[in-house]
Amino acid sequence: RKEVEQDPGPFNVPEGATVAFNCTYSNSASQSFFWYRQDCRKEPKLLMSVYSSGNEDGRFTAQLNRASQYISLLIRDSKLSDSATYLCVVKRDHTGGFKTIFGAGTRLFVKA
Amino acid sequence: DTAVSQTPKYLVTQMGNDKSIKCEQNLGHDTMYWYKQDSKKFLKIMFSYNNKELIINETVPNRFSPKSPDKAHLNLHINSLELGDSAVYFCASSQEPQLNTGELFFGEGSRLTVL
Repeated sequence: RKEVEQDPGPFNVPEGATVAFNCTYSNSASQSFFWYRQDCRKEPKLLMSVYSSGNEDGRFTAQLNRASQYISLLIRDSKLSDSATYLCVVKRDHTGGFKTIFGAGTRLFVKA
Repeated sequence: DTAVSQTPKYLVTQMGNDKSIKCEQNLGHDTMYWYKQDSKKFLKIMFSYNNKELIINETVPNRFSPKSPDKAHLNLHINSLELGDSAVYFCASSQEPQLNTGELFFGEGSRLTVL
């Protein structure tokens, strides 16, 4: 079983729709959480960190449930430019430093 | 100026050959990484170096040998290439003062195709 699990999708939604992605992690020692975005044939880039109290950045809202080991990302008013793969990421201590682990990603297609 | 740059961007080679990918970051970060992204798009950590010291070696075959001559550079050498090594290899760097910080900055990737 992978340490970070995501529904691979794809999610096909019309412009303006609200879409939600879920992610679960198996290692309870995970302490920091992030969403990255990866466009086709490009490198991943940080979208937002995820805080215990939940946080919002414009149309994007991230939630964390430590008890259930569950992370979510909500995108409101989807734009064509939101089409990408969204990677759920967890970080935990590792000997000598930290370890950052990526989920396999959820693909989103926003259509006109 | 590119923050994390890796070369070459594309590499096509025959099975059994040896090849290297180079990575440099100009962000002043202490930590650098190699990740492998396979055809199923799963991004898997291979190695992590902190100030030239290896801290993560994620059960990678010993045909893969990373080298960090200084904290701004992390190169990856692959011996005796196999078909299964075909993937996109991403270099990344971060500054890790605390657990809840340390955004990873990725290079553009090196697409390796083994024939």
